[in-house]
Amino acid sequence: EAQVTQNPRYLITVTGKKLTVTCSQNMNHEYMSWYRQDPGLGLRQIYYSMNVEVTDKGDVPEGYKVSRKEKRNFPLILESPSPNQTSLYFCASSQNGDTQYFGPGTRLTVL
Amino acid sequence: SQQGEEDPQALSIQEGENATMNCSYKTSINNLQWYRQNSGRGLVHLILIRSNEREKHSGRLRVTLDTSKKSSSLLITASRAADTASYFCATDPGAYGNNRLAFGKGNQVVVIP
Repeated sequence: EAQVTQNPRYLITVTGKKLTVTCSQNMNHEYMSWYRQDPGLGLRQIYYSMNVEVTDKGDVPEGYKVSRKEKRNFPLILESPSPNQTSLYFCASSQNGDTQYFGPGTRLTVL
Repeated sequence: SQQGEEDPQALSIQEGENATMNCSYKTSINNLQWYRQNSGRGLVHLILIRSNEREKHSGRLRVTLDTSKKSSSLLITASRAADTASYFCATDPGAYGNNRLAFGKGNQVVVIP
């Protein structure tokens, strides 16, 4: 089944404790993105990647890192999480930059 | 980056009625897309309309695009309770390959059985 998977789905952590949210797609897509969704603000793009080893900042990249060492994986790294990064995070992939296929989301709470 | 804005932001209708949502944006686009999100889950792509298209249909969905007014509308005909969701428009600014979709804040639709 074609899908985008994210892990973990739920995470509660404390300020400053490094964490990684994994994202994997099995559709051989070139493009992958990370978004965060906050009430009243909609979805905002954090980082995106057009191919292996090619990444670029989205609209809200501060406090986040990404890597794209393999085509299928695009992990999101929070080196020192803060409470303002409490949010619902979505990974998405796309073959040609058009239609995005979204993962199920990761609900992160930073205390 | 630009961002679509949906209108109305909340809509409540009876099952069987039509639901219409609008999206406005600010700069030129390559395409505009509509997505649906059920309560905290991932977004699901509904339909994409390119800048050189004016209208597109997919099942009970009809999307129009007016590039002169920088607006789009999504019509759901004969709504069902399962259509209850948030609907987002997303604009692609058109620089090929940069995958910089900009999403609106969403439109909450409630279909009452």
